[in-house]
Amino acid sequence: GAVVSQHPSWVICKSGTSVKIECRSLDFQATTMFWYRQFPKQSLMLMATSNEGSKATYEQGVEKDKFLINHASLTLSTLTVTSAHPEDSSFYICSARRDLGEQYFGPGTRLTVT
Amino acid sequence: DQQVKQNSPSLSVQEGRISILNCDYTNSMFDYFLWYKKYPAEGPTFLISISSIKDKNEDGRFTVFLNKSAKHLSLHIVPSQPGDSAVYFCAAKGGTASKLTFGTGTRLQVTL
Repeated sequence: GAVVSQHPSWVICKSGTSVKIECRSLDFQATTMFWYRQFPKQSLMLMATSNEGSKATYEQGVEKDKFLINHASLTLSTLTVTSAHPEDSSFYICSARRDLGEQYFGPGTRLTVT
Repeated sequence: DQQVKQNSPSLSVQEGRISILNCDYTNSMFDYFLWYKKYPAEGPTFLISISSIKDKNEDGRFTVFLNKSAKHLSLHIVPSQPGDSAVYFCAAKGGTASKLTFGTGTRLQVTL
């Protein structure tokens, strides 16, 4: 299957700072990338969908000014958590898809805000 | 509003036996269903899928059954192996929506 990477795999930051998470499709061009969030023992909740070169579409209840998504190229999308707070601590997972094909998931990034 | 539900948060099965994981959905627009396996601190990996035009799809030890009238699907793993121990998510999509809606997951433990 296709490979999707995320960087960093885990990050600890202080409250009020911003954190950037990168998602890369390594062996295919991803026309669409998705960002999910997972709380412990809960489902994966879709945060936003981004298509290369256009603005991300955010799910209801997700603050677009807090979770900035950039999909600048067909192989890279970034999620920036701005002014992070402890309640933003979570496991963030991206996935990438070429056209309407299969979605491939990254390994996830664990964010801890102290 | 949880449109995809996995009512069993956990399941323990002996090695060699059959594991049956269940999933129910409420949105009649869903027409494509997938099962993912997830280890802790890793992203989900795709296992098997089924389109609503079928009622069964088989791939090796994994079989997915779909009952559209009951809005229910199940994943059968036989024989179960210790390496199958993980959290299993069912997901669905359909209609004009191209996004996946995930269930809450079932933690499967295969014991020796």
